[in-house]
Amino acid sequence: DIVLTQSPDSLAVSLGERATINCKSSQTILNSSNNKNSLAWYQQKPGQPPKLLIYWASSRESGVPERFSASGSGTHFTLTISSLQAEDVASYYCQQYHSAPHSFGQGTKLEIK
Amino acid sequence: QVQVVQSGAEVKKPGASVKVSCKASGYTFVNYGFSWVRQAPGQGLEWMGWISAYNGNTLYAQKFQDRVTLTTDTSTGTAYMELRSLRSDDTAVYYCARDRVGRTGALYWGQGTLVTVSS
Repeated sequence: DIVLTQSPDSLAVSLGERATINCKSSQTILNSSNNKNSLAWYQQKPGQPPKLLIYWASSRESGVPERFSASGSGTHFTLTISSLQAEDVASYYCQQYHSAPHSFGQGTKLEIK
Repeated sequence: QVQVVQSGAEVKKPGASVKVSCKASGYTFVNYGFSWVRQAPGQGLEWMGWISAYNGNTLYAQKFQDRVTLTTDTSTGTAYMELRSLRSDDTAVYYCARDRVGRTGALYWGQGTLVTVSS
C-alpha cells in the first residue's frame, strides 16, 4: 500500500503570508499513460465534507482561487497558499489515486497566527 | 447541478450492521463512480473503497474487505455502503463522494452520515 506522509501536522501563518504543506509518497504515483502524478489535494473545514482543490498534482479544480497552487514530482508534493485569507483556515489532505487503497495523508491543520 | 445526498444518522449496537445510502442527481448516474471515506471523531480521512456505477466493479481497502459491501442501484441513482460486525471504533462520519471525470479525485461529496456504535 502507498503511504502518504504530510508535514507539518499543524501550521500557523499570518494573514497575507504564504502557507506551504508537504506530502511525501512512499512510492511513485506517476501515471505512465499521461506522465502525470495521481495526487489530489482537499480542503476540509470543521463540520463540512472535504472539497477538492487540486488533481493531477498541480491542476486547480474549477472555482478554486488562484492563490492555491500545487506542484511536485517523484514522491514529493507541495500545496501552497500564496496569501493566506481568513477563510483558508481548515485541514488539508493529500490523496493518491494511483492504486488502491487510495490513501490519504494524515492531514495538516492550518490556522491563523 | 450535481447533488449527492446521504441518509441520516444511525445508532447501532456492537455486532450489528449499517447500510448508508447516497442518492445522486443532476447527471447521468452510470457515468461516474463513488468513493466511500470515513472520518472518526477528531481524526483524518480514511478511504474505504470505490464502486463503478457503470458496471459495479469495486475496490476495497484491505482493512474493510471482509466487512464492507458497496453497491449501486442504477434505477434510483443511489449508491450504498453496508458495514457489518460493527465495533465501537467504527463510530465515524461516513462520506460518499462522486468521482471527478477520469477518476481524478472525489469532486462531489455527500453531507456525511454519522454512525454511532454503542452498547
